[in-house]
Amino acid sequence: AQTVTQSQPEMSVQEAETVTLSCTYDTSENNYYLFWYKQPPSRQMILVIRQEAYKQQNATENRFSVNFQKAAKSFSLKISDSQLGDTAMYFCAFLTGNQFYFGTGTSLTVIP
Amino acid sequence: KAGVTQTPRYLIKTRGQQVTLSCSPISGHRSVSWYQQTPGQGLQFLFEYFSETQRNKGNFPGRFSGRQFSNSRSEMNVSTLELGDSALYLCASSLALGSGRQETQYFGPGTRLLVL
Repeated sequence: AQTVTQSQPEMSVQEAETVTLSCTYDTSENNYYLFWYKQPPSRQMILVIRQEAYKQQNATENRFSVNFQKAAKSFSLKISDSQLGDTAMYFCAFLTGNQFYFGTGTSLTVIP
Repeated sequence: KAGVTQTPRYLIKTRGQQVTLSCSPISGHRSVSWYQQTPGQGLQFLFEYFSETQRNKGNFPGRFSGRQFSNSRSEMNVSTLELGDSALYLCASSLALGSGRQETQYFGPGTRLLVL
């Protein structure tokens, strides 16, 4: 069975600081994709970043980067220079075949 | 390109009624997935459709059903509503999940269902 675990239900960070959200997953598959999605209070889910499991290089999108440790099945999200607009629920997701598996989310609050 | 649209945005129903939710994917996207989101459970996968065929189904009772039309639009139906069905129902589309070509899902704004 595929599972995704986000062990931090809530986190906070000071504006302009850096924060890391953790995610671990469990799978016996070798080909898969990993994602971080952001859901602001308005509820529209937005893709933040994606990572192909076959790529060793960590994905980066502006202030967002991941630390992908395939052997450890870990996929953390680092947000640099946190902004007030980063306040949202963040979901880690895992895709294998044609089905997504989501973690329970981490609620991030950026404090001015 | 227009994003994923879902209608209606809000619904109030009573126990025992049935409801149909609609999802229009991004133009050209053929895969549509449905999720139930509740505060305690996160996102729970309902089902995924591709080219009018249900390929995957989550662990939900048979009261939850869906279909996809030839234009890739999808509907989800819940019969005999229960209080516990109150949730945000999210639809997501992708070009072709599992094809190895485009593996990103794009979400709609959701339909908020309240069962009284």
